[in-house]
Amino acid sequence: QQQVKQSPQSLIVQKGGISIINCAYENTAFDYFPWYQQFPGKGPALLIAIRPDVSEKKEGRFTISFNKSAKQFSLHIMDSQPGDSATYFCAASGTGTASKLTFGTGTRLQVTL
Amino acid sequence: DAGVTQSPTHLIKTRGQQVTLRCSPISGHKSVSWYQQVLGQGPQFIFQYYEKEERGRGNFPDRFSARQFPNYSSELNVNALLLGDSALYLCASSWGQGASEAFFGQGTRLTVV
Repeated sequence: QQQVKQSPQSLIVQKGGISIINCAYENTAFDYFPWYQQFPGKGPALLIAIRPDVSEKKEGRFTISFNKSAKQFSLHIMDSQPGDSATYFCAASGTGTASKLTFGTGTRLQVTL
Repeated sequence: DAGVTQSPTHLIKTRGQQVTLRCSPISGHKSVSWYQQVLGQGPQFIFQYYEKEERGRGNFPDRFSARQFPNYSSELNVNALLLGDSALYLCASSWGQGASEAFFGQGTRLTVV
């Protein structure tokens, strides 16, 4: 049973544009929501994470928006760069920690010149 | 400081064989988790170990087992390999069971033929 649904599957954005990736979850016990970036041949790298007590968190060009009532959260990448081209995964955990993460299916982002 | 290190990086096994994958966490981290990532999908949680004890197990058959050593390194064993076990196996390290950040290694690419 897929507990975290991620969309879109792939995304093409022009350099300087905004990339938006969305995730929805079903399990109301989830209370930790990280985003990971993965390049080919590499392991996932933690980008940014949020807990449900805040509705938005920003770190540099990356922002997470969280809607607890809708059980949805999204990643916004501002001023997207070709170096941002990678696969992005949302994840969720029910313990408030990273001890057991449930991942989405991933979004392949391509930033064009 | 070294990150999470996994060995080997690539491995080819025959159906029915057994395989052992190894992981060394970041220095000071006491928790290790294992994930399976099938091509085109998000990582799936297999095990978490903390202080040499299993603290969580995902929906994987008993052919999968793991252990953690006194130096906090870990091994993942898979017996009676199936073609469907072909995947990228990822190890994640965090400082404790309740840690809020998990850092992944680059993974071991297992191919079963």
